[in-house]
Amino acid sequence: SVLLYQKPNRDICQSGTSLKIQCVADSQVVSMFWYQQFQEQSLMLMATANEGSEATYESGFTKDKFPISRPNLTFSTLTVNNARPGDSSIYFCSSRDRDLQDTQYFGPGTRLLVL
Amino acid sequence: GDSVTQTEGLVTLTEGLPVMLNCTYQTIYSNPFLFWYVHYLNESPRLLLKSSTDNKRTEHQGFHATLHKSSSSFHLQKSSAQLSDSALYYCALTNTGNYKYVFGAGTRLKVIA
Repeated sequence: SVLLYQKPNRDICQSGTSLKIQCVADSQVVSMFWYQQFQEQSLMLMATANEGSEATYESGFTKDKFPISRPNLTFSTLTVNNARPGDSSIYFCSSRDRDLQDTQYFGPGTRLLVL
Repeated sequence: GDSVTQTEGLVTLTEGLPVMLNCTYQTIYSNPFLFWYVHYLNESPRLLLKSSTDNKRTEHQGFHATLHKSSSSFHLQKSSAQLSDSALYYCALTNTGNYKYVFGAGTRLKVIA
């Protein structure tokens, strides 16, 4: 299995500002994923991040709004640019274990509130 | 593309009654992997069950599910609900070699005394 840590675990920011969410894995993982979850709703895949390449974004999410970096096999950051109240949600990073039939592991989540 | 459909919204059960959360899926691939994830409040989603074998029951922590490819279903069941089962449950699908991992909309299970 893979343990994922996120920082911060929660944040409050003003509209128009940017914030970074960090995700660290306890072992090297090929892919990291970022999900957004609005209160008690489904997990929405935002993007897939592989080391050394541009993240691949899902429909409704853009690089300009949510730039993602993946500098090495244990680390990724998600930035929320020009934050708006509609961005208030929980952001999870995750990774998959291909040796275990693609079981997916999630970080603890970062709860963001934009005022 | 692939899709997963779950029992919608909130399911409220009295403790001791059986649990049945429906999950059906659509995929063009013949060897899907199906998962149930459980998401307790203020925790991370975590794996509850998984299967890729047709008609074989898989069990964990009192829950069970059987993948039926003929009906594209992977329903989650438990014989007797407990208060501690209250959580959000996601059914998910992936395929061998396919990078995509598709989650259903989630079903909130609330067990009451």
